[in-house]
Formats: sequence, structure tokens, C-alpha cells
Amino acid sequence: DAGVTQSPTHLIKTRGQQVTLRCSPKSGHDTVSWYQQALGQGPQFIFQYYEEEERQRGNFPDRFSGHQFPNYSSELNVNALLLGDSALYLCASCHGTYEQYFGPGTRLTVT
Amino acid sequence: SQQGEEDPQALSIQEGENATMNCSYKTSINNLQWYRQNSGRGLVHLILIRSNEREKHSGRLRVTLDTSKKSSSLLITASRAADTASYFCATDLPSGSARQLTFGSGTQLTVLP
Repeated sequence: DAGVTQSPTHLIKTRGQQVTLRCSPKSGHDTVSWYQQALGQGPQFIFQYYEEEERQRGNFPDRFSGHQFPNYSSELNVNALLLGDSALYLCASCHGTYEQYFGPGTRLTVT
Repeated sequence: SQQGEEDPQALSIQEGENATMNCSYKTSINNLQWYRQNSGRGLVHLILIRSNEREKHSGRLRVTLDTSKKSSSLLITASRAADTASYFCATDLPSGSARQLTFGSGTQLTVLP
């Protein structure tokens, strides 16, 4: 049983560009959350998707948007990239339980 | 902003010793979880303790929760070099249906062989 998968593993972008990160949840999970983890910090909640709708959002600007597909996979889009967006982006999935399973993350570097 | 804060920020011990990490949080919670992260990789779920529980065990892990003090501790017994990692506590707020986790800033544990 595959766990949560994310792609790509690493990504380098230039300021002002746009990026799309992808996540496939663990089998049987219908809820996907995205977190941003800056170097040396704990993850910070970006938003959560359930039944293809954004259910809750953290304190992130509208440049951060997402989508969930009918197969429960999800995308995180970031527009007008800033240097401060450089971070590890983590996807987590769950199904009606408190335990969230995390993917390996996508390391985004903005230059 | 971070809900939880781990203490200490860094801990270095010898293999075989016990490691204790503490977490404090600010608001009422539904449950508290501990995660491990190896060198900038994904988070691995270790243990969950509900707000009405005081202590929980899982293998070499022991977690306590004191809701009156808004604090939790994670004890790793008989530590191994493979336990070297960052450890985070995460809280799940009681309101709302979303499983939004709020993480602390983590404790970096180094176990020396």
C-alpha cells in the first residue's frame, strides 16, 4: 500500500514565476492538507481539501491556491513567487481520524 | 504563529540513555500528537494522545499530557543512533471539523554512538 506521494522532489524557480506541486493521498484517504516548513521551523498549515472543496485555510496569502480532484489527489499552486516562499512543502492525508500521514515533501527553492 | 513550543531546542545524548522532550501549547486542544522528521524529509507519526488521556505508551515511547499546565512530554527510552531526528509536537484544536495541525518549532535530538 503506497503512502502519501508528492512530486516533484525538488524544484528551483525564479522570483515572480508560478509553481504547481502535486500530492497523491494514502489509499482510502479523502482529506488532503498542505503545510509549509521553512528551514529550522515547524510546519505551518496552508489549507485543507475535502470533497474537492477548500475546507479550512491558514494564514497564507491568496497567491497560494489549491485544488482537489475526484480521485482525492491534490495540487498546490503558488503564484508570483517570492524568495520567502523557499521551503519544504508537505502534503498530509487522512480519513476521518486524527492521525495524518505525511508525504516526503517537495523542496522549493526560489532564486 | 506556532501553537506549541518544544523544549529543549536541541538535545544530545549517548546511545542507551533516555531522551525527554517537552512541549507547551497555548489554547485548549482536542488531542496532541508527536512526529519525527529525519533531516528535512517527511514527518512520521509517532503517537497521539487525546485530551482526556494522561499517559500513553508505544514501544520505547512514553507520552504524558497535562491539560491543566498545557504541556506534554515525550520520553524515548534506551535511545539508539537511529533516533537522531527532529521531534515535533502538534495540536489539533477542538473547534471545527478540519484536521488542522499546529506544530511547535521542534527539538533536534542527536544520539551519539
